[in-house]
Amino acid sequence: ETGVTQSPTHLIKTRGQQVTLRCSSQSGHNTVSWYQQALGQGPQFIFQYYREEENGRGNFPPRFSGLQFPNYSSELNVNALELDDSALYLCASSLALNQPQHFGDGTRLSIL
Amino acid sequence: GIQVEQSPPDLILQEGANSTLRCNFSDSVNNLQWFHQNPWGQLINLFYIPSGTKQNGRLSATTVATERYSLLYISSSQTTDSGVYFCASDNYGQNFVFGPGTRLSVLP
Repeated sequence: ETGVTQSPTHLIKTRGQQVTLRCSSQSGHNTVSWYQQALGQGPQFIFQYYREEENGRGNFPPRFSGLQFPNYSSELNVNALELDDSALYLCASSLALNQPQHFGDGTRLSIL
Repeated sequence: GIQVEQSPPDLILQEGANSTLRCNFSDSVNNLQWFHQNPWGQLINLFYIPSGTKQNGRLSATTVATERYSLLYISSSQTTDSGVYFCASDNYGQNFVFGPGTRLSVLP
């Protein structure tokens, strides 16, 4: 059984650029959630997708957007990157809504 | 949304010692999970424990849902147990919220 995979593992961008992070959910899982983890803090919920529809959003500006595809993989897009966007971005999938979450290894994004 | 507190914030142990980590919630919990984040940033599922007690090797966890807290027990700690331990939960459909974590260092 393949777990949650994220790509790329590391990424360096400059202020103002745009970035797309990708996540493949665990086999059979239809729900994907994205989190931002700044250094020394716990992960913060960005948003969740269930069967290709957004199903909840945390306190993040609209320049953070996402997609979920028919195969339940997902993308996180961030526009107009700011220095504070430097963080570890984690993706988690679950079998359905309100089920345990399983995390990928994350993408480390650095903004220069 | 739900608020999550964890204690202690930092813990230093000698190898072989036992420890108890605590998680308090401000409201009823639904999908309570404990995670271990290793020094490479990988977040590992330890327990899914909305109520009751579970054990997995040297680790065990207990959640008392009516009193809104959960405990993680680590026995005979090893250096590989070092890292940050997070608890997290949602409140029946609201956002999944993480606590600030307990940073554990196990010394040889």
